[in-house]
Amino acid sequence: KAGVTQTPRYLIKTRGQQVTLSCSPISGHRSVSWYQQTPGQGLQFLFEYFSETQRNKGNFPGRFSGRQFSNSRSEMNVSTLELGDSALYLCASSRVGDSSYEQYFGPGTRLTVT
Amino acid sequence: KNQVEQSPQSLIILEGKNCTLQCNYTVSPFSNLRWYKQDTGRGPVSLTIMTFSENTKSNGRYTATLDADTKQSSLHITASQLSDSASYICVVSARNTDKLIFGTGTRLQVFP
Repeated sequence: KAGVTQTPRYLIKTRGQQVTLSCSPISGHRSVSWYQQTPGQGLQFLFEYFSETQRNKGNFPGRFSGRQFSNSRSEMNVSTLELGDSALYLCASSRVGDSSYEQYFGPGTRLTVT
Repeated sequence: KNQVEQSPQSLIILEGKNCTLQCNYTVSPFSNLRWYKQDTGRGPVSLTIMTFSENTKSNGRYTATLDADTKQSSLHITASQLSDSASYICVVSARNTDKLIFGTGTRLQVFP
């Protein structure tokens, strides 16, 4: 069974640009969550999608948005990039949108903003 | 405020030695607690997940304990190996929000 895949793995952008990251969950998983990880802050929850609907949202500005498609694949978009957006962006999938279920993380996308 | 605190922030041990990592939380109402291992540049991988009624859970050389009364958990690593070098993250979920609250992790380095 294939794990969670994220593309691209590495990305370099300049301030002011926008970026779209992609996440393909494990087959059969309908919940996808996105996280930002920085050395100082640890893992910060961005949002969670379940059956194409955003169920939960963290405390990030509106520049961060996402969506989920009917095949459960999810994309995350960051507009007007800032230097502070440099981070490892992780997505995780689970069978259902319930915190008691196991979450499986992808390898992450390393975003560098210059 | 729901919080998860881990200690120590970093730890260095010699190969073959045991170590214990700590996690204290203030999340309420409590649903479950997980320990993840994250290798550098990789996504976290689940080690254990414990609910309110579970006191101990093992996964190979990893043993997690939970004291729901004092809201403390520990992760004990036995006979450490070089491959145990990683960050260990404690994650607690609250029953009524389905949100996961992450600790900032303990960075473990195992030297030969």
